[in-house]
Amino acid sequence: KQEVTQIPAALSVPEGENLVLNCSFTDSAIYNLQWFRQDPGKGLTSLLLIQSSQREQTSGRLNASLDKSSGRSTLYIAASQPGDSATYLCAVMGAGNNRKLIWGLGTSLAVNP
Amino acid sequence: KAGVTQTPRYLIKTRGQQVTLSCSPISGHRSVSWYQQTPGQGLQFLFEYFSETQRNKGNFPGRFSGRQFSNSRSEMNVSTLELGDSALYLCASSLVSGGADEQYFGPGTRLTVT
Repeated sequence: KQEVTQIPAALSVPEGENLVLNCSFTDSAIYNLQWFRQDPGKGLTSLLLIQSSQREQTSGRLNASLDKSSGRSTLYIAASQPGDSATYLCAVMGAGNNRKLIWGLGTSLAVNP
Repeated sequence: KAGVTQTPRYLIKTRGQQVTLSCSPISGHRSVSWYQQTPGQGLQFLFEYFSETQRNKGNFPGRFSGRQFSNSRSEMNVSTLELGDSALYLCASSLVSGGADEQYFGPGTRLTVT
């Protein structure tokens, strides 16, 4: 049974810092891994989607890596800004017929001006 | 183009009642997935519909059901509500089924059961 863990649960950093969010999963048989952002009172926004055959994806100041063999993904945020404050969620899509997203509990990020 | 819309945004119900939530996907999207989010369990997959057919289902009791209409709009129904059903219910739409592409989420329906 796939389990997704995110560390740390909460993070508070000063503006301008580079930071890394971690996601680990127990079953390496995945179809893809996705990072989302959730703002209070709003839905989820997809940030990056990494297919199982890929090692990383980049979008602006965000870079996500995937190491299937070790069951790990990291989300790197460069030069953090107060607007980056949100909860970041990692989700793994199972392979084969088990195509459903299994979610971590998220990392709550606060970027202080 | 318009995003995913969910109605109602907030709902208060009493134990034992039933509730129906609605989700309108992005125009052209044929896949709709439903999720339940609670502080303790996080996000959990309920089910996915594609072209009016349920394609995948999570581990929820039969009180949770859904359907999809020919215009891809989807409804989720919960019967005999329990206190533990209080949660944020999110729907997401995508072009294709099976998670191959990006999912776009609606703002959610906040259900409170008293």
